[in-house]
Amino acid sequence: AQTVTQSQPEMSVQEAETVTLSCTYDTSESDYYLFWYKQPPSRQMILVIRQEAYKQQNATENRFSVNFQKAAKSFSLKISDSQLGDAAMYFCAYRVRGNTPLVFGKGTRLSVIA
Amino acid sequence: DARVTQTPRHKVTEMGQEVTMRCQPILGHNTVFWYRQTMMQGLELLAYFRNRAPLDDSGMPKDRFSAEMPDATLATLKIQPSEPRDSAVYFCASGLVLPNTEAFFGQGTRLTVV
Repeated sequence: AQTVTQSQPEMSVQEAETVTLSCTYDTSESDYYLFWYKQPPSRQMILVIRQEAYKQQNATENRFSVNFQKAAKSFSLKISDSQLGDAAMYFCAYRVRGNTPLVFGKGTRLSVIA
Repeated sequence: DARVTQTPRHKVTEMGQEVTMRCQPILGHNTVFWYRQTMMQGLELLAYFRNRAPLDDSGMPKDRFSAEMPDATLATLKIQPSEPRDSAVYFCASGLVLPNTEAFFGQGTRLTVV
């Protein structure tokens, strides 16, 4: 069975600094997708960034980027120039092709210190 | 502005009562997911549908939970009878069966069973 592990229950970062959230996963599939979702106190699940496993290039979205290490089954999220609005729970998630169900990690609560 | 709509946003009910949660997927989406979020278990899949047919409901306690899609614009999740351990946030998400697409989440229903 596929599993997703986030080893950092809580993280904090100073405003304008950079922080990296860790995620590892286990799968026997070769074609899959990885995601980072943000859940602010409003509890809305917001897609932050997506990575296709067949792409070697790391995905980037403005201040958010990933370090995808397929052989190591590692998928970390880097947030640059952290802002107060980045404070939230962050979930790493995995799925295979075809919009199948997501498998989520337990989440990392990120605090941003002004 | 296409969005997944869930009702109600909040529900407090007494143990033993029936609870019905509703979800309106984004128009045209043919895949619907139900997830449950708790502090202890995190986000876990309860059931999902494709073209209104249930594909997987193995995450759902069969004796008290039921999920249906009466039509393409409505998905329901029922709990009868409800128990305090069912207290959680229930999310609906919808998407398309295409390789490089994402699921869009509703804002969730926070259920409290007292």
